[in-house]
Amino acid sequence: EPEVTQTPSHQVTQMGQEVILRCVPISNHLYFYWYRQILGQKVEFLVSFYNNEISEKSEIFDDQFSVERPDGSNFTLKIRSTKLEDSAMYFCASLRDTEQYFGPGTRLTVT
Amino acid sequence: AQSVTQLDSQVPVFEEAPVELRCNYSSSVSVYLFWYVQYPNQGLQLLLKYLSGSTLVKGINGFEAEFNKSQTSFHLRKPSVHISDTAEYFCAVRGMMAGNNRKLIWGLGTSLAVNP
Repeated sequence: EPEVTQTPSHQVTQMGQEVILRCVPISNHLYFYWYRQILGQKVEFLVSFYNNEISEKSEIFDDQFSVERPDGSNFTLKIRSTKLEDSAMYFCASLRDTEQYFGPGTRLTVT
Repeated sequence: AQSVTQLDSQVPVFEEAPVELRCNYSSSVSVYLFWYVQYPNQGLQLLLKYLSGSTLVKGINGFEAEFNKSQTSFHLRKPSVHISDTAEYFCAVRGMMAGNNRKLIWGLGTSLAVNP
């Protein structure tokens, strides 16, 4: 069964560094999402992406964040200058009909 | 806008006992409702969903949930739990309309601990 994949599973970076989190959504899905889950808190929507552009973003998704679908298969989330509070689990999802399919997540640790 | 409240942050239960995990939501529009499960060190997996029709929906692993519109609830139940059901359970909603309402709004999660 097709599944959403994410790499890396764990990323450790220093404050101020740029990170790129990678996702490969299910191939025939058209809507893509990034969510994050800070330890002990609820899952939060970051951004949705459709037809090669952002369709909605949350207030969390400021100028430090960007998304890209560079080659028709990968879907990336870039954080330009990481902050301590960006430490979280980041989940990618793709949508078919009414169901979002989630990847296993990338745990980002900013030190 | 929507919001989700999961009333119990932790639910300890003995193996083979029944369990109910509670979820209430608020929304100004009609919504779809979901329960996701997250096993330790794994991603989010859909347990079940309510879209329309029968208010009792059955999902994987013997779980079921009942949509109650008047009480704006979508409680998750299982008549007999196993050790392997130990996980974090999340209730989520999204608006039925297309476009910007496709995003999921999440509850805080309920940690189910099944003890022998």
